[in-house]
Amino acid sequence: NAGVTQTPKFRILKIGQSMTLQCTQDMNHNYMYWYRQDPGMGLKLIYYSVGAGITDKGEVPNGYNVSRSTTEDFPLRLELAAPSQTSVYFCASSNTSGVLKREQFFGPGTRLTVL
Amino acid sequence: QKEVEQNSGPLSVPEGAIASLNCTYSDRGSQSFFWYRQYSGKSPELIMSIYSNGDKEDGRFTAQLNKASQYVSLLIRDSQPSDSATYLCAVRTGRRALTFGSGTRLQVQP
Repeated sequence: NAGVTQTPKFRILKIGQSMTLQCTQDMNHNYMYWYRQDPGMGLKLIYYSVGAGITDKGEVPNGYNVSRSTTEDFPLRLELAAPSQTSVYFCASSNTSGVLKREQFFGPGTRLTVL
Repeated sequence: QKEVEQNSGPLSVPEGAIASLNCTYSDRGSQSFFWYRQYSGKSPELIMSIYSNGDKEDGRFTAQLNKASQYVSLLIRDSQPSDSATYLCAVRTGRRALTFGSGTRLQVQP
């Protein structure tokens, strides 16, 4: 299993441009998440999904959109990039073995810079 | 008050010593607790999970949970230079995703 994969690894955007960060998992996990991590900080939840067709906002959803058409894929869309969106973005997934023991596994991250 | 608080460090310990990392959380309804290790430039890696009061040991790592005092800790015995990383405490309340602390940077001196 490849686990959670993310593309691209790095990207530089100009202000106002749009892009989609891709995330795919091959573990048949129902739950998927997008976090951002600013330098020296913890991870903040952007959006999450509990299954195909179901998404919900996290702590910092403004400026982002998501979709979940399949179990495997959970892309994150930035419509109008702003310097405040410069960050490292992590996708994660987790199994559904009970609420307590739902462990999250992370992809390698996408480092995004908006200039 | 932050939901999950950690001392940012750095915590510096000599090789072979015990490193003690602490985390407090604000929501008494929190049910699951995790410790992640994150090397610089890498993604978080799950190293311990704990769900009930007491200690849980896995190799050189011991997680301790005290729900009455709302804290969770991670002990690393026989610390090695390869343990030098940022350690993130994460807490789940109900069905939501994890809430992370900002992490404690650990430095193990050879």
